[in-house]
Amino acid sequence: NAGVTQTPKFRILKIGQSMTLQCTQDMNHNYMYWYRQDPGMGLKLIYYSVGAGITDKGEVPNGYNVSRSTTEDFPLRLELAAPSQTSVYFCASSYSSSRGWNEQYFGPGTRLTVT
Amino acid sequence: QKEVEQDPGPLSVPEGAIVSLNCTYSNSAFQYFMWYRQYSRKGPELLMYTYSSGNKEDGRFTAQVDKSSKYISLFIRDSQPSDSATYLCAMSAPLGGSNYKLTFGKGTLLTVNP
Repeated sequence: NAGVTQTPKFRILKIGQSMTLQCTQDMNHNYMYWYRQDPGMGLKLIYYSVGAGITDKGEVPNGYNVSRSTTEDFPLRLELAAPSQTSVYFCASSYSSSRGWNEQYFGPGTRLTVT
Repeated sequence: QKEVEQDPGPLSVPEGAIVSLNCTYSNSAFQYFMWYRQYSRKGPELLMYTYSSGNKEDGRFTAQVDKSSKYISLFIRDSQPSDSATYLCAMSAPLGGSNYKLTFGKGTLLTVNP
């Protein structure tokens, strides 16, 4: 199993440009997540999905959009890039759980710089 | 008051030292308590998780939860240079059904010097 894969690894965008960060998992997990990690700031949830066709906002959704058409893929779209979106973006996936939590498996991250 | 507080360090210790990493929290609804390890330029990986107050041991690592004080700790015995990483605490609170909210600390950067 490849686990959670993300592309690209690095990207530099100009202000106002758009891009899509790709995320794919091969573990048949129904839950998928997008986080951003700023230096010294921990992980902040952007969006999450509990299954194909179902997405919901996290803590910091402004400036981003997502879609989930398949179980495997969960792309994150930046429409008008701003310097405040300079960050490292992590995709994660997990099984659902009735106990209130389940282990999230993280991808290697995408480092995005907006100048 | 932030929901989860974690001293970002950095923390530098000699090889073989005992390391103590800590987080405090304010949300009584947190049920699961986790420690993630993140190597430089990699994604976080789950190291340990606990549900109830008390200690949980896994090799050189011990996770401790004190719900009455809202305090969790991770102890690393006989620390090795390969333990050099950022350690993030995380806590989950139920949102209803099978949904939950996961809140991360800022992470503590640990360097173990040979």
